[in-house]
Amino acid sequence: QQPVQSPQAVILREGEDAVINCSSSKALYSVHWYRQKHGEAPVFLMILLKGGEQKGHEKISASFNEKKQQSSLYLTASQLSYSGTYFCGSRNSGNTPLVFGKGTRLSVIA
Amino acid sequence: DGGITQSPKYLFRKEGQNVTLSCEQNLNHDAMYWYRQDPGQGLRLIYYSQIVNDFQKGDIAEGYSVSREKKESFPLTVTSAQKNPTAFYLCASSPSAVTGGYTFGSGTRLTVV
Repeated sequence: QQPVQSPQAVILREGEDAVINCSSSKALYSVHWYRQKHGEAPVFLMILLKGGEQKGHEKISASFNEKKQQSSLYLTASQLSYSGTYFCGSRNSGNTPLVFGKGTRLSVIA
Repeated sequence: DGGITQSPKYLFRKEGQNVTLSCEQNLNHDAMYWYRQDPGQGLRLIYYSQIVNDFQKGDIAEGYSVSREKKESFPLTVTSAQKNPTAFYLCASSPSAVTGGYTFGSGTRLTVV
């Protein structure tokens, strides 16, 4: 079942922070986060495998709450290069393919 | 450099014709996937393959077919049975079906006229 992302879109000024949420009605085995710029392929950001795990990638980090069946992506001190559409992909078991959310469009303006 | 190559980047076909999209990877990944992307819909899974000579249907497999005769290649055929084939198609691979992030190709934009 497709995970639900929120918000659908967000506009930030450079230096502001944002949080993107990804929730599922089913138990989650793992969550992936990707960023896609317009007309390009999605680029892998990070995987979260364990409940309560947090990971970081530059100024972008994420948490995974297994009990709440949700993950959140945190973007701090946003830069223009952070603009794009962010997708979460979830797995309900170990060997199933990712099911992606509909995406969150992030626009960072000067 | 290792990666995934999709070709062509743009494809135009007449309604009723079958068309094959190419996907080749040199990452030595076992698992490969085809996703379809439509505006506002995210990425929807068409087919996936966890190992050579084996593949499974995804959520929207109707009107599509695939083959996995070589580890490096996973071509997708869009048949005339696909009712609304105009879309952006993305091929991806991962080290295995269980671990690793996905590496995506640059996509093929198919337009049926």
